[in-house]
Amino acid sequence: GENVEQHPSTLSVQEGDSAVIKCTYSDSASNYFPWYKQELGKRPQLIIDIRSNVGEKKDQRIAVTLNKTAKHFSLHITETQPEDSAVYFCAAIKEYGGATNKLIFGTGTLLAVQP
Amino acid sequence: NAGVTQTPKFRILKIGQSMTLQCAQDMNHNYMYWYRQDPGMGLKLIYYSVGAGITDKGEVPNGYNVSRSTTEDFPLRLELAAPSQTSVYFCASSYGTKSGEKLFFGSGTQLSVL
Repeated sequence: GENVEQHPSTLSVQEGDSAVIKCTYSDSASNYFPWYKQELGKRPQLIIDIRSNVGEKKDQRIAVTLNKTAKHFSLHITETQPEDSAVYFCAAIKEYGGATNKLIFGTGTLLAVQP
Repeated sequence: NAGVTQTPKFRILKIGQSMTLQCAQDMNHNYMYWYRQDPGMGLKLIYYSVGAGITDKGEVPNGYNVSRSTTEDFPLRLELAAPSQTSVYFCASSYGTKSGEKLFFGSGTQLSVL
């Protein structure tokens, strides 16, 4: 089945610096790649997603890039702020005959933005 | 809309006890999921459902059961609780279109099995 690997597991940056989190997936049939942010003690929430028909997507300070050939995708956060501190999860969907969605998550990256 | 509602928020079980984690959504979503999150780890899919009357196993289904008798409700049953089931459990739902959709998560249930 699908396997999603995420690196690094922890990332510490200074406020204002950029942060990059990388994920690889195993199933070339996966075609939807969301990123979720989970603040301490809270539920995960979608922050950005990308589909396999595009290579890059931006939303203000965050962007996601996708390399289908290499089967990896990355989250980029620019001008980091203390409120960006959280655990970030990547995920990939593998479809089964078009009837199901099974979102498989990476292991998460704890991002700490130092003021 | 309340979104996805999970109960209880916290629970302590003794080994061998049983319990049901409740999950309800009021967004008329077709797809519902149960994930578990162990400390410092990612989200592992336990079971999911693509509609009322249809359920299927995820990555870690052993020790759990689910049912989906209505679109709104997707309870998770733990039979014979074990310490390995100590975790935070998240229910989630989505519209479930072919290309994937945004997941809406509940607030989580923190379960300890002692």
